[in-house]
Amino acid sequence: GAVVSQHPSWVICKSGTSVKIECRSLDFQATTMFWYRQFPKQSLMLMATSNEGSKATYEQGVEKDKFLINHASLTLSTLTVTSAHPEDSSFYICSAKPGTDNYGYTFGSGTRLTVV
Amino acid sequence: AQSVAQPEDQVNVAEGNPLTVKCTYSVSGNPYLFWYVQYPNRGLQFLLKYITGDNLVKGSYGFEAEFNKSQTSFHLKKPSALVSDSALYFCAVRGAGGYNKLIFGAGTRLAVHP
Repeated sequence: GAVVSQHPSWVICKSGTSVKIECRSLDFQATTMFWYRQFPKQSLMLMATSNEGSKATYEQGVEKDKFLINHASLTLSTLTVTSAHPEDSSFYICSAKPGTDNYGYTFGSGTRLTVV
Repeated sequence: AQSVAQPEDQVNVAEGNPLTVKCTYSVSGNPYLFWYVQYPNRGLQFLLKYITGDNLVKGSYGFEAEFNKSQTSFHLKKPSALVSDSALYFCAVRGAGGYNKLIFGAGTRLAVHP
């Protein structure tokens, strides 16, 4: 079945530094990728949607200059949290959807970001 | 606007008993509905989806869901719960529009007691 690999699974960084999270589709071409943020004991909040080769579409209230999303190839999307602060600490999850399946959403295993 | 509601924050069930996790939806147009499960500090695992066809959808790990158009519901069920089923369950609907993003419910924590 479809597999999405997300790295790192956890990261600790200092305030003010930037962190990059990678999301790779291993066995399919992901036309569209989604980035979610999840607070403890809460649901997934969609941050942005990216199509390969296009600028990401951000949800209302999400700072695009802070959360940089790049979808440069059909198998890789990255989320960079710039100038991270403790309030950016969260669980980030990516999801990928192939162009050949409008209902095939596959999720990565998530990244736990802690900013100290 | 598309939305889903999961009215229960938590469901408790004894091992071996049947379980139901509730989900209702609101959509314009045809509903495309999904159930996912999340274990601690992990991503979401796909359980099943309803696109069209039979109202009873069978999925992974013995789970099934019944699509009920008149009640706008898509409840997740399993005939006999296992302790290992204890996890966070999310119902989702595919949104309208170009990117067809998934819109999630608040989640229901399932606790299966031995």
